[in-house]
Amino acid sequence: DIQMTQSPSSLSASIGDRVTITCRASQSISDYLTWYQQKPRKAPEILIYTASSLQSGVPSRFSGSGSGTDFTLTISNLQPEDFATYYCQQSHSLPRTFGQGTKLEIK
Amino acid sequence: QVQLQESGPGLVKPSETLSLTCTVSGGSISSGNYFWTWIRQPAGKGLEWIGRLHIRERTDYNPSLKSRVTISGDTSKNQFSLKLSSVTAADTAVYYCARDGYHSGSYLDYWGQGTLVTVSS
Repeated sequence: DIQMTQSPSSLSASIGDRVTITCRASQSISDYLTWYQQKPRKAPEILIYTASSLQSGVPSRFSGSGSGTDFTLTISNLQPEDFATYYCQQSHSLPRTFGQGTKLEIK
Repeated sequence: QVQLQESGPGLVKPSETLSLTCTVSGGSISSGNYFWTWIRQPAGKGLEWIGRLHIRERTDYNPSLKSRVTISGDTSKNQFSLKLSSVTAADTAVYYCARDGYHSGSYLDYWGQGTLVTVSS
């Protein structure tokens, strides 16, 4: 299985800040990397697919980059609704695997 | 707008079989363009991919669960189902169904709200 490792596991930030979350794959996955946002007691929602493509309806303050094994999710100008847990997921190989999550909290 | 809704018992006894159904609206599970997927999440933990169904081609399962999992579809009801046998407390989780694309770099674009299944006697 491809292991997905996110860092940090948790992060405190303030409204208006810019934050970056990193996801590393245990082997190359090309750009087959998706980012999801999950709020408490809700299903995850897709933010970014194929590493850098913004899902329709997602605010442009979210951006993704990377290829191969190293990827980043950047959120600019943090808004109150952005405080949530973020997961990366690879779709290069089966079984699909997720990172362990990064919890973004208000400072 | 595609919508998915999980249903099934919220409580299952140890050693028994967990059975859940996902009802799809706004889209057809008969479409060759998608895989229909199950994911689970224990309380306070991360997401685990269980497996997926392509109604015309095949099913794929997580090797860690493969011996206990069956995913099947009912095109007449536009539903797909999950069966997980010989459950233990470790199978207690919120179970989600979701739609995945049939292409390289696919992603889970629509999810159900999730249903909590507790394994307990």
